[in-house]
Amino acid sequence: SSELTQDPAVSVALGQTVRITCQGDSFRSYFASWYQQKPGQAPLLVIYGKNSRPSGIPDRFSGSNSGNTASLTITGAQAEDEGDYYCNCRDSSSNHVVFGGGTKLTVL
Amino acid sequence: QVRLQESGPGLVKPSETLSLTCAVSGGSISSSNWWSWVRQPPGKGLEWIGEIYHSGSTNYNPSLKSRVTISVDKSKNQFSLKLSSVTAADTALYYCVAAYSSSSYFFDYWGQGTLVSVSS
Repeated sequence: SSELTQDPAVSVALGQTVRITCQGDSFRSYFASWYQQKPGQAPLLVIYGKNSRPSGIPDRFSGSNSGNTASLTITGAQAEDEGDYYCNCRDSSSNHVVFGGGTKLTVL
Repeated sequence: QVRLQESGPGLVKPSETLSLTCAVSGGSISSSNWWSWVRQPPGKGLEWIGEIYHSGSTNYNPSLKSRVTISVDKSKNQFSLKLSSVTAADTALYYCVAAYSSSSYFFDYWGQGTLVSVSS
């Protein structure tokens, strides 16, 4: 079955740029999507498609894809960006959906 | 703006069946969304359980497929999850989610989640 691999934890200094990566074989047919989750809250979609942001998501969030790696970049990280970030994708051959294990982002 | 609300028992005994319902408002369950269930054990990551289209077509997580049934009730604009033979490992926050699928696939609307504990 398809799997998506994320680093468990990443830290970034306030105002600096951080990239969170997601590796897997599921990106052949669908782009990864990215979710931010803060304690006690439901996940929030931050990036979908090639590099699209839902309404209300700051433009410091961006996404990219290269081969079997999807990336979420936060340019100028803010304290409120702390939380867990999950990637997600659908495998078109099996129609199964997978999540990465999540990356805990700390803003120093 | 689609809104999703989960409902169901917060406590289920081991070996019994967990049953949850998700009420959809602000949109039709017959729209072009896949209606999904995602769960999150305490302190752990997200796990996709399965999904249903308004036509009744379903896809399930292979690791749960033998125990999962997802159904849709168009007359009530809701969909449901049944998970049989539960154990403590099924204790989790269960979310119902609307997924958009076209050239991209993503979960754009989430319920607030409902905690289900499995315990005798």
